[in-house]
Amino acid sequence: DTAVSQTPKYLVTQMGNDKSIKCEQNLGHDTMYWYKQDSKKFLKIMFSYNNKELIINETVPNRFSPKSPDKAHLNLHINSLELGDSAVYFCASSTRDRNSPLHFGNGTRLTVT
Amino acid sequence: QKEVEQNSGPLSVPEGAIASLNCTYSDRGSQSFFWYRQYSGKSPELIMFIYSNGDKEDGRFTAQLNKASQYVSLLIRDSQPSDSATYLCAVIGGDYKLSFGAGTTVTVRA
Repeated sequence: DTAVSQTPKYLVTQMGNDKSIKCEQNLGHDTMYWYKQDSKKFLKIMFSYNNKELIINETVPNRFSPKSPDKAHLNLHINSLELGDSAVYFCASSTRDRNSPLHFGNGTRLTVT
Repeated sequence: QKEVEQNSGPLSVPEGAIASLNCTYSDRGSQSFFWYRQYSGKSPELIMFIYSNGDKEDGRFTAQLNKASQYVSLLIRDSQPSDSATYLCAVIGGDYKLSFGAGTTVTVRA
């Protein structure tokens, strides 16, 4: 009964392809996030949704599009993948309390060749 | 200037010693402060949070917050080899965004 689960765990694909990463949380949280961790381990927020509504959209290329069908799911679709997109992508969730900590999924390691 | 800065390390300490990790932040409106531990190839896991000035202890971990100096630290007492990991400082700023530092890698020598 994983709290925040992401699929797939590993994703290897070629430049120019389109891919999706799925995330689901069973914690009853209202807010979900996508973070990108680069090779230097720096975690940077990409998007945040609160109860299906986009509330944070950092400077991320338009090729990245999040979708939240309900508050327990937040998927990430990436078009026209580039080499620089290679990273680990973490989904996370938190309660609606804006000062609450994040609970992370296990990450998706994306490798673009 | 980065929003959250940490000593990049790596920090190597002998088993049983105290590991001291430091973090500074730029947003004076920051309200909540967290320490996450990340083992290689794993996701970050929350180990401490602190909201008020002063010290907060949980087992072998102590978080210290000084809002006037915009400084938060983590002490790991009686360090164990299992404490070897990257420790990420995270701060919720006045805009309610959670920002992470680059992390400090700790190695505990047996």
